[in-house]
Amino acid sequence: ETGVTQSPTHLIKTRGQQVTLRCSSQSGHNTVSWYQQALGQGPQFIFQYYREEENGRGNFPPRFSGLQFPNYSSELNVNALELDDSALYLCASSLGQWETQYFGPGTRLLVL
Amino acid sequence: DAKTTQPPSMDCAEGRAANLPCNHSTISGNEYVYWYRQIHSQGPQYIIHGLKNNETNEMASLIITEDRKSSTLILPHATLRDTAVYYCIVRTGSARQLTFGSGTQLTVLP
Repeated sequence: ETGVTQSPTHLIKTRGQQVTLRCSSQSGHNTVSWYQQALGQGPQFIFQYYREEENGRGNFPPRFSGLQFPNYSSELNVNALELDDSALYLCASSLGQWETQYFGPGTRLLVL
Repeated sequence: DAKTTQPPSMDCAEGRAANLPCNHSTISGNEYVYWYRQIHSQGPQYIIHGLKNNETNEMASLIITEDRKSSTLILPHATLRDTAVYYCIVRTGSARQLTFGSGTQLTVLP
């Protein structure tokens, strides 16, 4: 059974650019949640996708958006990157909206 | 979700049991206690969760007090690879997100 995978592992962008991060959920999982983890802090919830629809959002601006595909994989898009967007971005999949979440290894984004 | 309080750091000798406490005095009846750990720069790893009863799996045991206001995660035989930040999270059955606090940095010493 394949766990949660994320790509790329590392990414460097400049301020104002746009970025797309990808996540493949664990086999059989239909829900994907995204988190941002700044250095030295715990992960912060961005949003969740369930059956291809956004299903809950944390305190993040609209320039953070996402998609979920029919195979339940997901993308996180961030527009107009700011320096403070530098962080580890984590994807977690689960069997349902309220089930146990299993995390991928993360994508480390550096904005210069 | 109820707030949790954990010590910022703990040490444990290799081979000994590591007992990580968590206080969640405002927990309500439908809130679960979850434990995750995060080894440096990796994604959080699910360990265990419970509602009222004590739980055990291949990784750890979770002891929840009868009043549910606190819990303890027990790693029975800690190894160097158990060095990580351990997060205690209280989550309602209807909450989509996990709310992480600061966690406990556990260092297993040789």
